Amino acid sequence: DIVMTQTPLSSPVTLGQPASISCRSSQSLVSSDGNTNLNWLQQRPGQPPRLLIYKISNRFSGVPDRFSGSGAGTDFTLKISRVEAEDVGVYYCMQTTQLPHTFGQGTKLEIK
Amino acid sequence: EVLLVESGGDLVQPGGSLRLSCAASGFTFSTYWMHWVRQAPGKGLVWVSRINGDGSSTTYADSVKGRFTISRDNSKNTLHLQMNSLRVEDTGVFFCVRGTNRWSGVDYWGQGALVTVSS
Repeated sequence: DIVMTQTPLSSPVTLGQPASISCRSSQSLVSSDGNTNLNWLQQRPGQPPRLLIYKISNRFSGVPDRFSGSGAGTDFTLKISRVEAEDVGVYYCMQTTQLPHTFGQGTKLEIK
Repeated sequence: EVLLVESGGDLVQPGGSLRLSCAASGFTFSTYWMHWVRQAPGKGLVWVSRINGDGSSTTYADSVKGRFTISRDNSKNTLHLQMNSLRVEDTGVFFCVRGTNRWSGVDYWGQGALVTVSS
């Protein structure tokens, strides 16, 4: 199975400041069709997960442009340009290149 | 609007059985892969199983293989997860998740159904 490792596991951020979360996979996420199926999910308190970013850097429908994704191969980053109160929650990276699909441990974003 | 609504969660004893359902609406259900993902209380996400659009192809996590069965009824736009020989470690919220047709991944998630396995 592909192991996904996120850092940090907790990120206290000041409102209006940027935030960054890293995700590393134990093997390349480039699939046979050339796509890299790395996704980012947001889970607000008491809510189900919600897709933010797919294929490294594509924002899903309705996702604000302060969220961006980057990376390649085995190293990926989610950035929030200016954190807002509604961004509080846990963020997960998820690989859908290989079965079983696997998730990072989650990074808790909280406001200082 | 895509809507996924799970039902069937309950308290069950170890060794027991339970069947979860997910009612889908807002899209052409029969043309999408569907998945189940579990989240233990206060823990992270674990992929459980997936099924293709016509139900002819299924895949399971090793931890549930031989105990869980995923199925679908496209005439009723409903996804199911039959869970047998339940263990304490199966406890958690089970999310119904839609697979994507535009890229290899998942997009919409249901609210989840709580399964508690305890004596």
